Formats: sequence, C-alpha cells, structure tokens
Amino acid sequence: KAGVTQTPRYLIKTRGQQVTLSCSPISGHRSVSWYQQTPGQGLQFLFEYFSETQRNKGNFPGRFSGRQFSNSRSEMNVSTLELGDSALYLCASSLAQPTYNEQFFGPGTRLTVL
Amino acid sequence: EDKVVQSPLSLVVHEGDTVTLNCSYEVTNFRSLLWYKQEKKAPTFLFMLTSSGIEKKSGRLSSILDKKELSSILNITATQTGDSAIYLCAVAGDSGYALNFGKGTSLLVTP
Repeated sequence: KAGVTQTPRYLIKTRGQQVTLSCSPISGHRSVSWYQQTPGQGLQFLFEYFSETQRNKGNFPGRFSGRQFSNSRSEMNVSTLELGDSALYLCASSLAQPTYNEQFFGPGTRLTVL
Repeated sequence: EDKVVQSPLSLVVHEGDTVTLNCSYEVTNFRSLLWYKQEKKAPTFLFMLTSSGIEKKSGRLSSILDKKELSSILNITATQTGDSAIYLCAVAGDSGYALNFGKGTSLLVTP
C-alpha cells in the first residue's frame, strides 16, 4: 500500500508570496492533518480535515488555510508569506473511524521563505 | 492548554546500552498517546497507547502508559547505531484528531 505523498518536496519563495502544498493520503484514509515543524517550536498542529470538512484548527493566523477534496486529497495554502513561515510542513493521514487511529506521516514539504 | 513534556532533551549512549525515554502530559479528555521515531525525514509511527492498551512491545522497543502519573516511557534495549534519531511523543485529547507533540528526545548511539 502506498504511503502518504506530498508535493512539492522543496519550495523556495519570497516574502509576500503565497504557496500551495498538496497531500495525498494512504488509500482508504479519510482524515488528513497538517503540521508545521520548526527547530524552535517542534511539531505544531495546523488543521485536520475529514470528509471535506475542517474538524480541528490549531493556533495559527488566518493566512494558513486548507481544504480537502472528495477523494480525500488535501491542500494547504499560506498567503502573504513571512520569513517565519520557513519550516517543514508535514501531512498525516488516518483511518479516523470508528475510533481514533494512529496517524501516518508523509515525507514533508520543506518551505524556505527568503 | 494541553502540554506534552519529554525528557531528557538529548541523550548519548554506547551501542548495547538500554535507554528509557520519558513523556509526561497534561491534556483534557485523554484519548491516546503515540510514539514516533524521526530521522532525517518524516516521523515513523512506533506505538499507540490508550486506556485499553497501556503496554506495547515490538522487538527491542517497548512502551508503557501510566494513566495515574499521566506519563509514558519508551524503552530501547540493546541499542544500535540505527536507533539514533529524535523520538517524539504525542497526545490526542479533547481536540479530537489533533496531535499535541512534545519537543522530542534526541538519541545518539555511538559505536
């Protein structure tokens, strides 16, 4: 079974630009979560989607948004990029039903903001 | 606010040693505690512990959940250089499927 895939793997942007990252979950997984990982803050939860609905949202500004499609693929968007947005963005998928299940991570997208 | 604290932050051991990593948590409506291993890539799932499954073992790795003390330990016996990684502890609480991660323990196993 193929794992979680994320594209692109690396991205370089400049301040003020916007970026869209993509995540394809493991086949059959309907929950997709996004995390930001930085050396100082560690792994921080951004948001979680299930059946195209955002169920949970972390403590990030409104510049960070996401969506999920009917095939469970998910995208996250960051607008008006800031230097501090440089991070590894990880996507994780989970069966999520009927009870809580473990999350499996993709390889991440390394975003550098110049 | 949910909190997950791991200790120690870093550890250096010799091959063959046994190590114990700690994770303590404060979370509303605890659902599960997960351990991940992260090398130079995405975190790899190790164990998930819940109220109905407080002890897990896989090869040289084992983990126990202490619900009374709100903590968990991850044991690695007969360590190998390939065990060198950051070990992350995460807890799922009242926020449902959002994992709250600790800062991790960086383990270095020397030959």
